[in-house]
Amino acid sequence: DAKTTQPTSMDCAEGRAANLPCNHSTISGNEYVYWYRQIHSQGPQYIIHGLKNNETNEMASLIITEDRKSSTLILPHATLRDTAVYYCIVRVAYAGGTSYGKLTFGQGTILTVHP
Amino acid sequence: SQTIHQWPATLVQPVGSPLSLECTVEGTSNPNLYWYRQAAGRGLQLLFYSVGIGQISSEVPQNLSASRPQDRQFILSSKKLLLSDSGFYLCAWSVIQETQYFGPGTRLLVL
Repeated sequence: DAKTTQPTSMDCAEGRAANLPCNHSTISGNEYVYWYRQIHSQGPQYIIHGLKNNETNEMASLIITEDRKSSTLILPHATLRDTAVYYCIVRVAYAGGTSYGKLTFGQGTILTVHP
Repeated sequence: SQTIHQWPATLVQPVGSPLSLECTVEGTSNPNLYWYRQAAGRGLQLLFYSVGIGQISSEVPQNLSASRPQDRQFILSSKKLLLSDSGFYLCAWSVIQETQYFGPGTRLLVL
């Protein structure tokens, strides 16, 4: 699976949009970009994923560049409860053998939303 | 809707004692199941995954083992715990190779 690079930490004011970048310059054509977040002492929570097109759901939007080498997760109106570690993960759409379904988590971005 | 349960939520065990952590999934059939561990200040590491009853694959050689006695039950075990086994243990499920959903986790402290 391709490696991802994220800033170590970011701040955002409550009510403003939080834009979290991720670089994945070695991504392959059959690899998805997934975003999870982990609030302190809880299990990771799935946010969104995409392959080529931009995606939006009730939690966030995912913008993937045309060359697919980077992406941005957008939380449109950040709240204090969005303070968490955000993980950008690249994962093969299908893989057999020992990498079947594997998610490789890096260090993520610590997002702090302040009043 | 699907839910995933893990217990216990927290556990303090002495070195050399046995371990059994349980994970169950409701609302789906024949899920893929996964055990991850998160050491303090680190990312998640995949330990085991299972695509069916009795089918276990290990990602990292270690002091732990996993079993899947029923379709929606996944157990993580150890015969003798080490200090280095301390961490946050997370179970996850998915339908085939689709999105993985995580449980609430078990925090294990080995003393």
